Amino acid sequence: NAGVMQNPRHLVRRRGQEARLRCSPMKGHSHVYWYRQLPEEGLKFMVYLQKENIIDESGMPKERFSAEFPKEGPSILRIQQVVRGDSAAYFCASSPLESSGYNEQFFGPGTRLTVL
Amino acid sequence: AQSVTQPDIHITVSEGASLELRCNYSYGATPYLFWYVQSPGQGLQLLLKYFSGDTLVQGIKGFEAEFKRSQSSFNLRKPSVHWSDAAEYFCAGLDRDDKIIFGKGTRLHILP
Repeated sequence: NAGVMQNPRHLVRRRGQEARLRCSPMKGHSHVYWYRQLPEEGLKFMVYLQKENIIDESGMPKERFSAEFPKEGPSILRIQQVVRGDSAAYFCASSPLESSGYNEQFFGPGTRLTVL
Repeated sequence: AQSVTQPDIHITVSEGASLELRCNYSYGATPYLFWYVQSPGQGLQLLLKYFSGDTLVQGIKGFEAEFKRSQSSFNLRKPSVHWSDAAEYFCAGLDRDDKIIFGKGTRLHILP
């Protein structure tokens, strides 16, 4: 059973370009979370999605950032018109759908975005 | 607001020495707490977790952590560190909406 996959692992963009980060959850997992790790910081929650639904986007910047998790295919975190401050590691985690209790989140290896 | 604090940004210990990494939490009810390790350029690996029950939790790689409600702490320990333990360690808690709240991390350096 493959783990959470993220690609690309490293992404370099110039200011003003778009960045698309992909996350394929573990097989059988229907919940996806995105976290951002700024330099010298811990990870901070951005958004929580289920298939075709955004459940909680309270950690997403109000502009330029969007996320989706379509019925088919990976979850996408999209950053439009990137700025230097977007340079960070972006981690995806997935969890299974359980009826109750805590659903453990399994983390991917991350995408390191560098904005020149 | 729920928060997790790691007071030490860097810790240096000699190989073979014991280790304790500090973590304090601020939660209303019984928290769900975790320790993760991140090696350079890598993702996060779960070392151990505490939900309820025995307050001394055993994890992978010889790590353990003790939940102390009276001190609001969940410190990570290892009796004898190896050079391969050099990494960044994150304490984290789960909020009521199933979001993980991370501390800022402690970077562990190992002296030969």
